[in-house]
Amino acid sequence: AQKITQTQPGMFVQEKEAVTLDCTYDTSDPSYGLFWYKQPSSGEMIFLIYQGSYDQQNATEGRYSLNFQKARKSANLVISASQLGDSAMYFCAMREGRGDYKLSFGAGTTVTVRA
Amino acid sequence: DSGVTQTPKHLITATGQRVTLRCSPRSGDLSVYWYQQSLDQGLQFLIQYYNGEERAKGNILERFSAQQFPDLHSELNLSSLELGDSALYFCASSVAIWDRGSEQFFGPGTRLTVL
Repeated sequence: AQKITQTQPGMFVQEKEAVTLDCTYDTSDPSYGLFWYKQPSSGEMIFLIYQGSYDQQNATEGRYSLNFQKARKSANLVISASQLGDSAMYFCAMREGRGDYKLSFGAGTTVTVRA
Repeated sequence: DSGVTQTPKHLITATGQRVTLRCSPRSGDLSVYWYQQSLDQGLQFLIQYYNGEERAKGNILERFSAQQFPDLHSELNLSSLELGDSALYFCASSVAIWDRGSEQFFGPGTRLTVL
């Protein structure tokens, strides 16, 4: 079964508007971490934000915030005030507490910011 | 710049050949991960090393092997290459493996093309 599901293959957003990228996850481990990475067209993977399963508050990093709904097993990324440089592929990933800490990635969502 | 270096950046080779991809983790990071990104499989975890020892294996083919050296750099060896091995290969590193919040920093990747 898929551990991470990103149902939006592509999205368009107007510059300066906010956009929400959906991510649902599946794990039976009570201890896990959720990550979002950005992959621009140049190919590198850039870490954006992290949310731990025991964290009480939603994570925020600058214009990025994570809407963590544990009961629904969702960890949506919100990008506020979109900029042209935000155009990229965005990946949701999970690390489970099994001792190896590898990341399981979703299929990604392509975001295109329009001027 | 994540601090993780990978060489070469691009590699073009023929079927049946063997190649070696090299990765230097961020200074101080003991854990190295290898991932493969392809159009059909997405981003997949291959293998993890921690301080020279193999810690976890993912969907890594038997034709592939890796090692981490005393200076902590790592090499991924791909042999008997097939067309389907064409992909972007990422190395990532993190400080430790016991901290689930320890994000993985990715290198720029090696794009392998098998002709």
